[in-house]
Amino acid sequence: GEDVEQSLFLSVREGDSSVINCTYTDSSSTYLYWYKQEPGAGLQLLTYIFSNMDMKQDQRLTVLLNKKDKHLSLRIADTQTGDSAIYFCAESNPGGNTPLVFGKGTRLSVIA
Amino acid sequence: GAGVSQSPSNKVTEKGKDVELRCDPISGHTALYWYRQSLGQGLEFLIYFQGNSAPDKSGLPSDRFSAERTGGSVSTLTIQRTQQEDSAVYLCASSFSRTETQYFGPGTRLLVL
Repeated sequence: GEDVEQSLFLSVREGDSSVINCTYTDSSSTYLYWYKQEPGAGLQLLTYIFSNMDMKQDQRLTVLLNKKDKHLSLRIADTQTGDSAIYFCAESNPGGNTPLVFGKGTRLSVIA
Repeated sequence: GAGVSQSPSNKVTEKGKDVELRCDPISGHTALYWYRQSLGQGLEFLIYFQGNSAPDKSGLPSDRFSAERTGGSVSTLTIQRTQQEDSAVYLCASSFSRTETQYFGPGTRLLVL
């Protein structure tokens, strides 16, 4: 079955890099997503990566995909206090009528 | 406003009452999803609409939950005879098609007393 695992908490100092990790089980996943949820808000799409890529960079965000190990990571460079939020990893399989499968989210705390 | 909107933003109800939650997807998006986020949990899929196809209801937790999508646009999620365990944030998302990126609304926070 589909399952997405993430560590629940991460704490970093302002200015340092944050790395949030995710593992997934569905090898047929086509897209893998990172969403951000700030307190009391909905989910904001941060970035996504297509499964035939191994890296994607977007400003301070770098996504690395190791398809062999089914491991996805999100690196945030120069982490700021505004980056404090819950980060959700999600996988999709458009081969069928399946919705996104989400991890439980990683709560990132940035210490000033 | 080009985003997904949901109403109400917060709802407090008594156990046993029925509630209706509304979602307005992004204009032109044919796919619409409902998810539930319980405290400390990830997102749990509830139901999915794609165009005029029959909805995928495989995630609905009980027959007290139902949803409809009128005219291929606005959707309403109904919970009958609410229970305390129904307390959660109900999130709606839409996408251009089932293979495209999902964009989420701000959610409805439901509290059943």
